[in-house]
Amino acid sequence: EVQLLESGGGLVQPGGSLRLSCAASGFTFRSFDMTWVRQAPGKGLEWVAGISSTGGSTYYADSVKGRFTISRDNSNNVLHLQMNSLRAEDTAVYYCAKARIERTYNAPSDYWGQGTLVIVSS
Amino acid sequence: EIVLTQSPGTLSLSPGETATLSCRASRTVPTNYLAWYQQKPGQAPRLLIYGTSNRATGIPDRFSGSGSGTDFTLTISRLEPEDFAVYFCQQCDDSRFTFGPGTKVDVK
Repeated sequence: EVQLLESGGGLVQPGGSLRLSCAASGFTFRSFDMTWVRQAPGKGLEWVAGISSTGGSTYYADSVKGRFTISRDNSNNVLHLQMNSLRAEDTAVYYCAKARIERTYNAPSDYWGQGTLVIVSS
Repeated sequence: EIVLTQSPGTLSLSPGETATLSCRASRTVPTNYLAWYQQKPGQAPRLLIYGTSNRATGIPDRFSGSGSGTDFTLTISRLEPEDFAVYFCQQCDDSRFTFGPGTKVDVK
């Protein structure tokens, strides 16, 4: 059974940093591209960042480029999102999600974690 | 960046009726790269349709997708109580994926 379990969310002050993790199991993690998607309270879905199966290619939304870094540890089946210079508008539930097709970045996400809440507030 | 627009914002229907949801893109999206998700309160999104018209695993056949170019449609036939939710379209053609703002299907 595919499982994605996010952790690392919490309350952080504006300008602060947080590192999210997503522990993957039930599939060959190193073969699938991954993404982070967030959802502000009461709002829609916003794609945040994506990474290829090898980690060699990364992509970011303009809203987080230069502040967030997506990475992965294929030895330990973990996806990360390092978030720096956090702003109030980064407050959201952050989901990690798995691409539907092996070694294919341009594919929708067929499995999602339950999300981790990040609150940026003083 | 490809901007997706969804209409209507809210659709009020009764069980048994048919829902027709629209997703319009700011430029052509190849059919392979258009997907639909369902989200219920407090839950993660669930993939319904990929490649414009292909149902994901376990999705009942009352859900169907169609479209091409810049105009795409999700149709839910014979609405069941569990279908009342928010629906998002997504494009994954551009390397920076984008979602539409969502359509809420609620009980009339």
